[in-house]
Amino acid sequence: DIQMTQSPPSLSASLGDKVTITCQASQNINKYIAWYQQKPGKAPRQLIRYTSTLVSGTPSRFSGSGSGRDYSFSISNVESEDIASYYCLQYDNLHTFGAGTKLELK
Amino acid sequence: EVQLVESGGGLVQPGRSMKLSCAASGFTFSNYGMAWVRQAPTKGLEWVATISYDGSSTYYRDSVKGRFTISRDNAKSTLYLQMNSLRSEDTATYYCTREKGYFDYWGQGVMVTVSS
Repeated sequence: DIQMTQSPPSLSASLGDKVTITCQASQNINKYIAWYQQKPGKAPRQLIRYTSTLVSGTPSRFSGSGSGRDYSFSISNVESEDIASYYCLQYDNLHTFGAGTKLELK
Repeated sequence: EVQLVESGGGLVQPGRSMKLSCAASGFTFSNYGMAWVRQAPTKGLEWVATISYDGSSTYYRDSVKGRFTISRDNAKSTLYLQMNSLRSEDTATYYCTREKGYFDYWGQGVMVTVSS
């Protein structure tokens, strides 16, 4: 089974900051990684698929990059509506989520 | 508009069974793989099971193999999850999702609580 190591577990940012979350897979996942946002009490919302492709409706301040085993997700110019938890998902071989990152306001 | 609506959750005793349903609309259900993802209270997301568009292939996480069965009725555009021999660690919100490798659409979730 593929393991996904997501860091950091939590992040504190000011409005307008740039933040970055990383996910490392236990093996090459061929860029098959997606990123999700989840707000309390709500279902997850997909933001990015295939490493860097923004899903329709995802603001351009969100971005993703990476290859092989190492991937990152960034939010430039953090807005108040971005306060949420974020998860990576590998879908190269079945499915594995990262443990999540909780983004809070400083 | 794609809609996924789960039902069938609630409180169940350890060792008993429960069946979840997910009614799909707004897309051609028989063209897509489907999956269940769960989230224990205050915890992260965990993939549970996936079924192919025609039901011919199913996949499960190790901790539910032999206890859970994912199935679908394409005529009714409905996804199911039969959960047997339930354990306290199965307590979670269960989400129905459309699967394209990644999960693009999600239901609102249904809570399952396993407790005596």
